[in-house]
Amino acid sequence: DGGITQSPKYLFRKEGQNVTLSCEQNLNHDAMYWYRQDPGQGLRLIYYSQIVNDFQKGDIAEGYSVSREKKESFPLTVTSAQKNPTAFYLCASSAYRGRAYGYTFGSGTRLTVV
Amino acid sequence: EDQVTQSPEALRLQEGESSSLNCSYTVSGLRGLFWYRQDPGKGPEFLFTLYSAGEEKEKERLKATLTKKESFLHITAPKPEDSATYLCAVQAGGSSNTGKLIFGQGTTLQVKP
Repeated sequence: DGGITQSPKYLFRKEGQNVTLSCEQNLNHDAMYWYRQDPGQGLRLIYYSQIVNDFQKGDIAEGYSVSREKKESFPLTVTSAQKNPTAFYLCASSAYRGRAYGYTFGSGTRLTVV
Repeated sequence: EDQVTQSPEALRLQEGESSSLNCSYTVSGLRGLFWYRQDPGKGPEFLFTLYSAGEEKEKERLKATLTKKESFLHITAPKPEDSATYLCAVQAGGSSNTGKLIFGQGTTLQVKP
């Protein structure tokens, strides 16, 4: 079955450490996105990519980095510059369906600073 | 600035007690308005897409409607399994068709038996 796989499900980061969250899709979607979700807040866009080897900053890109070397993969690195990284991270991919982009979300990675 | 506001933040219902969730939006050219259901610790699950004012869509006990300024998610005779957070999001139009979604903060629904 086609879908999006995020790993790991839970991740713990020490102070000053970089960590990478994995996102893989087999839906053949061109566009991929990373969102951050905090309690009581909506999803906020970190980075997005519409084609391979190209990506753009979202609303809260500071302290994060991404790469898009393959259509199927869009990993997110949370760097030590991100001062408050504890959150639930969601990856999504989308395809244009004539009037708007339809999204498929992964199951998320919960990152905790220890 | 494109913005989405959902109300109420939390809603408690008795099983069978119908109600509505509100999503107010301001956006420069609406491409689509989306409703998602999210269970704790999981990714959002797609429910509906609405494209233009006057449009309505139904799925089991849920019905979504759209006007030029807001959308409602009507829940008829809810069951405990309808308990979840419901997210509303809009996709703006314009020359840059990036597909970005702008989300509201969600409404957490609890249905008691």
